[in-house]
Amino acid sequence: QSALTQPASVSGSPGQSITISCTGTSSDIGVYNYVSWYQQHPGKAPKLLIYDVSYRPSGVSNRFSGSKSGNTASLTISVLQAEDEADFYCSSLTTSSTLVFGGGTKLTVL
Amino acid sequence: QLQLQESGPGLVKASETLSLTCTVSGGSISSSSYYWGWIRQPPGKGLEWIGSMFYSGNIYYNPSLKSRVTISMDTSKNQFSLKLSSVTAADTAVYYCARLPLSSASFFDFWGQGTLVTVSS
Repeated sequence: QSALTQPASVSGSPGQSITISCTGTSSDIGVYNYVSWYQQHPGKAPKLLIYDVSYRPSGVSNRFSGSKSGNTASLTISVLQAEDEADFYCSSLTTSSTLVFGGGTKLTVL
Repeated sequence: QLQLQESGPGLVKASETLSLTCTVSGGSISSSSYYWGWIRQPPGKGLEWIGSMFYSGNIYYNPSLKSRVTISMDTSKNQFSLKLSSVTAADTAVYYCARLPLSSASFFDFWGQGTLVTVSS
């Protein structure tokens, strides 16, 4: 199985909004609404931000939102804050009942 | 509060078997509501799913690792384990254990802190 495709890096200024894309295939993102997103700060374990495309776990800021169109999922972060600077990963269930991650996107808050 | 803690040797020799254990507290791995899984992250690189297991015995493995991986459970100790055979330097990584809700078994909602395993030649 191939990794999902994410941009290597994105950047934005405080207060702005950014969107990170995650492109898969008709065997993963395109067929299931089982896309999740994780935030990872340096030296820390990943933290779940979004599951099932657009649902936020309790305690996650509503500045984080998820969506999907076709084979591409997206994570949007609104009102960017310095503390949002981190690595972000998407993941999807596949038709083989396996899980696949994206390569990760480094967010820089300017 | 649920906690997951990975444990095992931090250094493994090439060609040998990597063995890690995840001890779960504040919850039961025999719960019918969750899968339990392993993920790894080579230094400076992205996340890679290794495999996931349900207490009833259902197990799913990453196809690229399937021939070398075994995930098992010890419900009496509330632990689950990972064994990766014939390791090489490419298996050097931080290894995480985590929980997956059964609703879709597609996302990890609780993670351990991770443990670095280095494969030496």
